[in-house]
Amino acid sequence: GAGVSQSPSNKVTEKGKDVELRCDPISGHTALYWYRQSLGQGLEFLIYFQGNSAPDKSGLPSDRFSAERTGGSVSTLTIQRTQQEDSAVYLCASSFRGSANYGYTFGSGTRLTVV
Amino acid sequence: GDSVTQMEGPVTLSEEAFLTINCTYTATGYPSLFWYVQYPGEGLQLLLKATKADDKGSNKGFEATYRKETTSFHLEKGSVQVSDSAVYFCALKGTTSGTYKYIFGTGTRLKVLA
Repeated sequence: GAGVSQSPSNKVTEKGKDVELRCDPISGHTALYWYRQSLGQGLEFLIYFQGNSAPDKSGLPSDRFSAERTGGSVSTLTIQRTQQEDSAVYLCASSFRGSANYGYTFGSGTRLTVV
Repeated sequence: GDSVTQMEGPVTLSEEAFLTINCTYTATGYPSLFWYVQYPGEGLQLLLKATKADDKGSNKGFEATYRKETTSFHLEKGSVQVSDSAVYFCALKGTTSGTYKYIFGTGTRLKVLA
């Protein structure tokens, strides 16, 4: 597609429920990243996918968070047993290659509110 | 580890005023530096970048110069417009955590009044 598409744009969920956030990167971009933007905070790196390599999961804050990327394209970020501190905007980005010298293209994000 | 510090906002200016948003960084080696902009309801967009000391990045009237001696990358614009109202993020390409991860500042909200 023309840009990075994320869905849903907004999600309100009850504490303890599981949620799935979707990211559809730009066609041909081999690298995909998830970041989290909390109120008053910078962007926090979560996970990185590059082609068929094993993903870098070093930024995932707990084992309740997981992500997968199917067929080298669409990615799903899953948060199990959501907590109120998970409330944030979850941003997905893609780039042509993994090197950060290629600028990221970000999606508009999914605003997650846990009540 | 590597880090980026931005001036806190919000910054409120009148149209045609001069803009400076301060950004300093801590990193080993020679990181690349970036400014991203987030307009209301949109994703982050790359505004400009500089990959080595003394480089000047520029785009849409915005400029930033990579100053290694002061570890700074301040964003400037000579005459802001209402349409520049957005959140601006300073970022560096991490030198200690691989080449693919950006480290972002907390963002500075700019509001330009007509």
